[in-house]
Amino acid sequence: QKEVEQDPGPLSVPEGAIVSLNCTYSNSAFQYFMWYRQYSRKGPELLMYTYSSGNKEDGRFTAQVDKSSKYISLFIRDSQPSDSATYLCAMSGTNAGKSTFGDGTTLTVKP
Amino acid sequence: DGGITQSPKYLFRKEGQNVTLSCEQNLNHDAMYWYRQDPGQGLRLIYYSQIVNDFQKGDIAEGYSVSREKKESFPLTVTSAQKNPTAFYLCASRSPGLAGFMEQFFGPGTRLTVL
Repeated sequence: QKEVEQDPGPLSVPEGAIVSLNCTYSNSAFQYFMWYRQYSRKGPELLMYTYSSGNKEDGRFTAQVDKSSKYISLFIRDSQPSDSATYLCAMSGTNAGKSTFGDGTTLTVKP
Repeated sequence: DGGITQSPKYLFRKEGQNVTLSCEQNLNHDAMYWYRQDPGQGLRLIYYSQIVNDFQKGDIAEGYSVSREKKESFPLTVTSAQKNPTAFYLCASRSPGLAGFMEQFFGPGTRLTVL
């Protein structure tokens, strides 16, 4: 069983929709929870990170971490065609030296 | 501009040949990483290096080798022992701290195809 499981997708939504992307994990030692966005044939770029449990908001993006359920989510409000990409969740321990990635969810936002 | 460069962008190799992928960074980061990404899958760690002249195996190191002779450079060699080398290879770097989050920056990737 993988340490990090990500909802596989793909997802296709109309412009303006609210998108929910989700991951579960099994390693209780994870402390940092990251979301990366990867455009086709490009390297991933960090969108947001959260330390331990709680919510974090950045513009149209909200990251949630529930350590009791070992469940993390990324919400995108008012989705735009430019949000079309693959979204990867990633997690690491307190040292944050190595990250474990989910398999990614590909999102398409249609105009 | 500070960043990570990988070359070449596309690479073709015949079976049985070794090939070396380049990764250079000018971010003054101590730590560097190599990941492999297959279609529909996340990133899997091949090797990482926390400091010059030192590196550790990741989760899928078999068939790969690395060196870290300079802080700026972390080349990856895909050897003929790697059974299924066709993939997208990503290099990353970060500046490690004793505590707290340090962002990992990724290069643009090299797509390797074995013919």
